[in-house]
Amino acid sequence: EVQLVESGGGLLQPGGSLRLSCAASGFTFSNFAMSWVRQAPGKGLEWVSVISASGGSTYYADSVKGRFTISRDDSKNTLFLQMNSLRVEDTAMYYCARDRAGLVATAGVGAYWGQGTLVTVSS
Amino acid sequence: ENVLTQSPATLSLSPGERATLSCRTSQSVSSYLAWYQQRPGQAPRLLIYDASIRATGIPARFSGSGSGTDFTLTISSLEPEDFAVYYCQQRSNWPWTFGQGTKVEIK
Repeated sequence: EVQLVESGGGLLQPGGSLRLSCAASGFTFSNFAMSWVRQAPGKGLEWVSVISASGGSTYYADSVKGRFTISRDDSKNTLFLQMNSLRVEDTAMYYCARDRAGLVATAGVGAYWGQGTLVTVSS
Repeated sequence: ENVLTQSPATLSLSPGERATLSCRTSQSVSSYLAWYQQRPGQAPRLLIYDASIRATGIPARFSGSGSGTDFTLTISSLEPEDFAVYYCQQRSNWPWTFGQGTKVEIK
């Protein structure tokens, strides 16, 4: 059974940093592209970032480019999102999602999702 | 950025009725469109990908159609657990984007 468990969320002030983790199990982690998708309270979904199976390709939404960094550790079956220079508008539930594909070129389908970790940025 | 517009915003129906949800994209996405269901307090769940392919474990009452810029999600006969918010999403070009959602509520 595919399982994705996010952690690392919390309450912090604007300008702060946070690292989210997503522990994966039940599949061969290194075969699949992985993503972070967020949802502000009461709002819709926003695809934040994706990393290819090899880790060689990464993409970011313009809203987080230059502030967030996605990475993966295949030896630990874990996906990360380093979030710097956080803003109030980054407040959201952050979901980890496993794709159907390995290459970013053929990815973009959130086949499996974790339950999310809440990030709140407030002064 | 490819803007996805879903209609209607809210659909009020009774169990057993047919639901038809629409998604229109501002640029053609070929068939690279997915549908997700999100129940309150839960993560999204993939229903349909590549416009018409049901994801693993998704009941046959869910079906998708369309190509280019106009897409439809149909739920043939609503079950109580189908009352939720539905999102469409394109993966034709980055950034991958979602529609704003259609809420299917009990009438």
